[in-house]
Amino acid sequence: DAGVIQSPRHEVTEMGQEVTLRCKPISGHNSLFWYRQTMMRGLELLIYFNNNVPIDDSGMPEDRFSAKMPNASFSTLKIQPSEPRDSAVYFCASIRTGGESEQFFGPGTRLTVL
Amino acid sequence: SQQGEEDPQALSIQEGENATMNCSYKTSINNLQWYRQNSGRGLVHLILIRSNEREKHSGRLRVTLDTSKKSSSLLITASRAADTASYFCATDHTGNQFYFGTGTSLTVIP
Repeated sequence: DAGVIQSPRHEVTEMGQEVTLRCKPISGHNSLFWYRQTMMRGLELLIYFNNNVPIDDSGMPEDRFSAKMPNASFSTLKIQPSEPRDSAVYFCASIRTGGESEQFFGPGTRLTVL
Repeated sequence: SQQGEEDPQALSIQEGENATMNCSYKTSINNLQWYRQNSGRGLVHLILIRSNEREKHSGRLRVTLDTSKKSSSLLITASRAADTASYFCATDHTGNQFYFGTGTSLTVIP
């Protein structure tokens, strides 16, 4: 199994541009999580999906952030417009259907907004 | 915030010594998990302890849980240089509601 796949691994963009981060969870996993990690705030849960349905998006910082999961094998996190304070590492994680709540993390996307 | 707190924030030890890090949380949990993160990588699950368990072992890892004190500890015995990483606790409160702690940065000196 390839594990959780995220793309791109690195993204550098200018303030005001739209950014789209992508995630492919492990096959058979029915819950998917988006996290943001910074030195100042640590690891923050942004949103999570269960069976492709958003369950809790209370961690999404503001309306500039949106997430979708059109099917069980793909999710996106979009920031529009991006701001320098959005610079962080964004992780996607998934949980196996019917298993314990052990999360499998992707390698992350390092976003830099200039 | 329900974010957990790890203690200490940073720990530096000699290879072969034991490393102990602690985690405290605020509200009741279903389970508590420990994760490891190497620099520039994603988090990797190490061990899970349920709320009705008090101690669990996995290889050189020993985890304890005290629900009355809302705290957990992770002990790594006979540390190796390869154990150098950041360690996070994560609390599962209401099924799939996870809160990660602030992390302990462990350095093992060869």
